[in-house]
Amino acid sequence: NAGVTQTPKFRILKIGQSMTLQCTQDMNHNYMYWYRQDPGMGLKLIYYSVGAGITDKGEVPNGYNVSRSTTEDFPLRLELAAPSQTSVYFCASSYGGKNAEQYFGPGTRLTVT
Amino acid sequence: AQTVTQSQPEMSVQEAETVTLSCTYDTSENNYYLFWYKQPPSRQMILVIRQEAYKQQNATENRFSVNFQKAAKSFSLKISDSQLGDTAMYFCAFIPGTGTASKLTFGTGTRLQVTL
Repeated sequence: NAGVTQTPKFRILKIGQSMTLQCTQDMNHNYMYWYRQDPGMGLKLIYYSVGAGITDKGEVPNGYNVSRSTTEDFPLRLELAAPSQTSVYFCASSYGGKNAEQYFGPGTRLTVT
Repeated sequence: AQTVTQSQPEMSVQEAETVTLSCTYDTSENNYYLFWYKQPPSRQMILVIRQEAYKQQNATENRFSVNFQKAAKSFSLKISDSQLGDTAMYFCAFIPGTGTASKLTFGTGTRLQVTL
């Protein structure tokens, strides 16, 4: 099993550009999450999904969009990139249940200049 | 809203010694779930240990154990026989018992350095 994979690993964007961060999991998990981690901080939830076709906002959703057309994939779209979106982005998945371990991808480091 | 506070930004411990990382949280819920995640320099987040609030017994995973004090809203992590591989950022995290999704709220982390 590859677990949770994310692409790209690094990206530099200019202000106003758009991009999609890809996330795929091969564990057949229903729940998937996107977090961002700013320097010296903990992770903050951007969006989450409890199954294909179902998504909802987390703590910091502004400037982002998601879709979940399959169980495996949960892409995160950044529209009109801003310097405030410079961060490390982590995708995670879990089988569900409050006590379930969330499995994290390796992260994408995004810089907006 | 729930908050998680880790008051120790950095800690250092010698190899083979024991260290305790502190975590406090604020919630009005009676049932919830607490976690410690480790983030080594590779950046990969890894679950260390978890605790359900309704369970009185403190969780233990090999060299890692917690001291869960529900009334004090405290959830500290004890690492025994510290190893160089334990060097990492450690994040305390919380999931409320209500709601359908498992939305983690993280603290700001404690950077642990294990030295020879």
